[in-house]
Amino acid sequence: GAVVSQHPSWVICKSGTSVKIECRSLDFQATTMFWYRQFPKQSLMLMATSNEGSKATYEQGVEKDKFLINHASLTLSTLTVTSAHPEDSSFYICSARPPAAHNEQFFGPGTRLTVL
Amino acid sequence: GDSVTQMEGPVTLSEEAFLTINCTYTATGYPSLFWYVQYPGEGLQLLLKATKADDKGSNKGFEATYRKETTSFHLEKGSVQVSDSAVYFCALSRSTGGGNKLTFGTGTQLKVEL
Repeated sequence: GAVVSQHPSWVICKSGTSVKIECRSLDFQATTMFWYRQFPKQSLMLMATSNEGSKATYEQGVEKDKFLINHASLTLSTLTVTSAHPEDSSFYICSARPPAAHNEQFFGPGTRLTVL
Repeated sequence: GDSVTQMEGPVTLSEEAFLTINCTYTATGYPSLFWYVQYPGEGLQLLLKATKADDKGSNKGFEATYRKETTSFHLEKGSVQVSDSAVYFCALSRSTGGGNKLTFGTGTQLKVEL
């Protein structure tokens, strides 16, 4: 099946610093990638939809200047949490959708971010 | 808007017991329905899906039937194993102007004990 990786798998940073998370589709090209945030014991909340070569589309309530998304190639999307604060601590999950899969997404293993 | 409602967990079962996790949805049109599984410390994996009414998705002994009349997609397994312990998410996807976005339920944690 399609494989999506994320790096790093976990990161601890100090408040006020920025953190970049990478999402890669390893064996397929993904024109669309999605970024989710998952709070403990809760569901996934879609943060933004990332389309290769264009600006990301953010969901209502998500600060685009705080969560910078770049989708520069068909296999890589990055999420940068700028000026991170403890409330940004969460599990961030990306997914990727191959061009032919109109309604299926393949998920990465997630990145655990802890902001001290 | 679209929504997915799942039964609250955790659900605790003995090995070889029968499993049902209820899922109902609200959506306009004809969504596709999914069950995803998340093992501890891992990302989501697609367990099964159904794309139209009366379709039955099945995988690894799990199955779910797309019931449009009751807007439900209940997950069932005849005999659970300890290795099935995980969080299960019901989700729907519907074509919109912005593409196919997934709407998730809150997840149901399953614990299977010996």
